[in-house]
Amino acid sequence: SQTIHQWPATLVQPVGSPLSLECTVEGTSNPNLYWYRQAAGRGLQLLFYSVGIGQISSEVPQNLSASRPQDRQFILSSKKLLLSDSGFYLCAWSASVEQYFGPGTRLTVT
Amino acid sequence: AQTVTQSQPEMSVQEAETVTLSCTYDTSENNYYLFWYKQPPSRQMILVIRQEAYKQQNATENRFSVNFQKAAKSFSLKISDSQLGDTAMYFCAFAYSNSGYALNFGKGTSLLVTP
Repeated sequence: SQTIHQWPATLVQPVGSPLSLECTVEGTSNPNLYWYRQAAGRGLQLLFYSVGIGQISSEVPQNLSASRPQDRQFILSSKKLLLSDSGFYLCAWSASVEQYFGPGTRLTVT
Repeated sequence: AQTVTQSQPEMSVQEAETVTLSCTYDTSENNYYLFWYKQPPSRQMILVIRQEAYKQQNATENRFSVNFQKAAKSFSLKISDSQLGDTAMYFCAFAYSNSGYALNFGKGTSLLVTP
């Protein structure tokens, strides 16, 4: 069966510090991968999606970037965090249409 | 641009009753998919039900069913025999193939099921 992992589960970082969130999927190959952010009291906003290694589509211009160094690994990064980057970050994968979500990372920027 | 609107920020229903959550969307696409996701307090996103736009028949999953009105671009979720475990945020979402089936979410409806 397929499993999706995200880490860390919780992160507190100061403004201006770098960020690296990791997402890995097990039990499938060549999945579509997605990063979403959920700000407090709001819906989910698509940040990036990838349909293959080296193929990254960005939906919202901001100080975040994504990379897919391996088939089942998706990394969300920032060189300098802003206060507005606080939120709940969710990674998801799909084989076709339906998406399956990881447990999320709660990021607080102080 | 595709947009998804959920006009009910909060709703409540008594246990065993039926409740309907509203969702409207706007798109110029012809082939797309619609979803309802549930996010309980654990914050785990759980797929409740999906509907293909080319299918006229409304999707049903046990106590959950949808009323899909393609011309009106409406996609409501009906929960029958509500249970305490149905308490959660419910998100309506839209996806199409040209964007890798990335989900475009509404802002959500917070549903509280009371005893």
